[in-house]
Order: sequence, then structure tokens, then C-alpha cells
Amino acid sequence: AQSVTQLDSHVSVSEGTPVLLRCNYSSSYSPSLFWYVQHPNKGLQLLLKYTSAATLVKGINGFEAEFKKSETSFHLTKPSAHMSDAAEYFCVVPRRSNYQLIWGAGTKLIIKP
Amino acid sequence: DVKVTQSSRYLVKRTGEKVFLECVQDMDHENMFWYRQDPGLGLRLIYFSYDVKMKEKGDIPEGYSVSREKKERFSLILESASTNQTSMYLCASSLTRGLAGKETQYFGPGTRLLVL
Repeated sequence: AQSVTQLDSHVSVSEGTPVLLRCNYSSSYSPSLFWYVQHPNKGLQLLLKYTSAATLVKGINGFEAEFKKSETSFHLTKPSAHMSDAAEYFCVVPRRSNYQLIWGAGTKLIIKP
Repeated sequence: DVKVTQSSRYLVKRTGEKVFLECVQDMDHENMFWYRQDPGLGLRLIYFSYDVKMKEKGDIPEGYSVSREKKERFSLILESASTNQTSMYLCASSLTRGLAGKETQYFGPGTRLLVL
């Protein structure tokens, strides 16, 4: 069965330093993969998605993620954190049987001034 | 611009009450979803609809029902609210029937429900 694991429930970085949010998935086929972001008191929105084109995917607000099939990972990175990046981030993989989505538990990103 | 609206941002109900949560999308999307979001659990799918009057159970349908009489509107019903249904409820939509796993989902702002 498909599953997705976000390895950290909270990540704290200083403004201007790199961000790494880790996601591992379990799947018997090459899936689509998504990262969504939820800012405080705002709705969820798509950050980026991988659909078997380029393995390095660029998203909004300077984020990118690399699909690594051999490691079954889809980690989210950003070279330099900004205060506005403080939010909760969700890694998401489709469920093959009926195309519903499986959501990771989320990683809260905290930005220190 | 894409828009998904939910009928209430905050709702307080008593145990045993029947609760209706409404969601409307203005994008002519085929698919609509109801999720609940609880801390540390991510989003869990309650029900999914891929067409008018069509629905599929998600991971946690117990205690809930849904209605989709028009393409743009998807309602979630708590038949008899209980305290363990206190949660954030999120509605979403996506464009194409059969491609729910590959397409962007667009979310409403959420309804925070408190059941006393």
C-alpha cells in the first residue's frame, strides 16, 4: 500500500539559512508527488508537483524538490529562508487504487529572526 | 481566479445536533472532496465525489454523509454530532474525473467545528 512519511514534525531555521523538509514515500510505481503549503489562517495551496517529467521540480516562492526514485524521497528545499515561509508543509502521494491522495502528517516550518 | 468557498469559518454545535457544512466551487470542476484536518495527522479524506449524485467513501466516512445535487456544490452532513468530530473541515475540488491523483486540488478556507 502507498504511504508517505514526513520525517520531521517541526523544523526551525534562521532567516537567510537553507531549508530542508524531508519526505519519503512508499510506492510500487512511479507516482505523482506533491507539496502543499498552509500558511497560518489561510487555505492550503499547491507549492509544487512532480509528474514524471524533470526530477528537479521548481515551485512557488523559491522552493524546489528533487524526486529520487532510488531513495524513494521527495525532499523540499529552499536556499534562503524568509520570514514569510513560516507555515505547515504537506507531502502528498496518490493512492493508486482510486486516485485519492495520501497526505503526510505535515512539517511546521519555524523561521527565527 | 479559482475559488472554493465554505459556508462558515467557525461553528459551535451541541452533541447530537445535525450539522451541515456547505462547499461551493466556481471552476466547473468534476471532483470535490471533504477532508478533516487534525494536528499531527495531516488531512484525512472523508468523502469524494466525481460527478453529480456520485460519491465514494474516503478513509473515515463513519458518522458523516454527503450530498452533491449540483456540480458546483458539495455538502457534508454530520447526522448526530459528537465531540470527537471537533476538527477543521476542508473542502477541495479538482478538474478532471479520473485524474484526482495527478491534478492540483484547490481548497476552501476551512470550517473549524467545535462540538460541545
